[in-house]
Amino acid sequence: DGGITQSPKYLFRKEGQNVTLSCEQNLNHDAMYWYRQDPGQGLRLIYYSQIVNDFQKGDIAEGYSVSREKKESFPLTVTSAQKNPTAFYLCASSIPQGVVNTEAFFGQGTRLTVV
Amino acid sequence: LAKTTQPISMDSYEGQEVNITCSHNNIATNDYITWYQQFPSQGPRFIIQGYKTKVTNEVASLFIPADRKSSTLSLPRVSLSDTAVYYCLVQMDSSYKLIFGSGTRLLVRP
Repeated sequence: DGGITQSPKYLFRKEGQNVTLSCEQNLNHDAMYWYRQDPGQGLRLIYYSQIVNDFQKGDIAEGYSVSREKKESFPLTVTSAQKNPTAFYLCASSIPQGVVNTEAFFGQGTRLTVV
Repeated sequence: LAKTTQPISMDSYEGQEVNITCSHNNIATNDYITWYQQFPSQGPRFIIQGYKTKVTNEVASLFIPADRKSSTLSLPRVSLSDTAVYYCLVQMDSSYKLIFGSGTRLLVRP
């Protein structure tokens, strides 16, 4: 089945450690996104990528890094510079621009907890 | 990017029609209006998208007045399973950037 897969579902990290969240899609979408969601809050954009080997910072990129070496994959690294990383992380992808109904498809999320 | 404003929360009862309005006063000519639904601990799901007038699909209707400065998501005959957060987004036709606001928390009571 086509879709977008995030792993792991739950992740625990010690303070000071970097951790990488995986996001893979087999929808042949050009654009991919990472969002952070805190309890009771909306989604905040961390990074997004329009095409392979290119990505842009969103509203809260500090303390995060990404790569886009393959169309299907857009991993997010939460670095030790992120002071409050405990949150729910969502990855999304969307169909190419120029097409009406550019809906985004989301993964099931990764819940990261710093212990 | 056009900023959106929605009510923080709404209450309804099963079987009622619910209308959630979103304001986007600085919407640009090429912007589309999109609504998503999110359940707890899940990713948002696309509901409906429109540019002007009225759009209807199997789950909702979207009403957009001529000036496009607001839009209304209409959910007919809601059920308990419609309890969720609903987000209104304004998307530029030429931009990939997707910005979500705080959304509207809809609570459907029996």
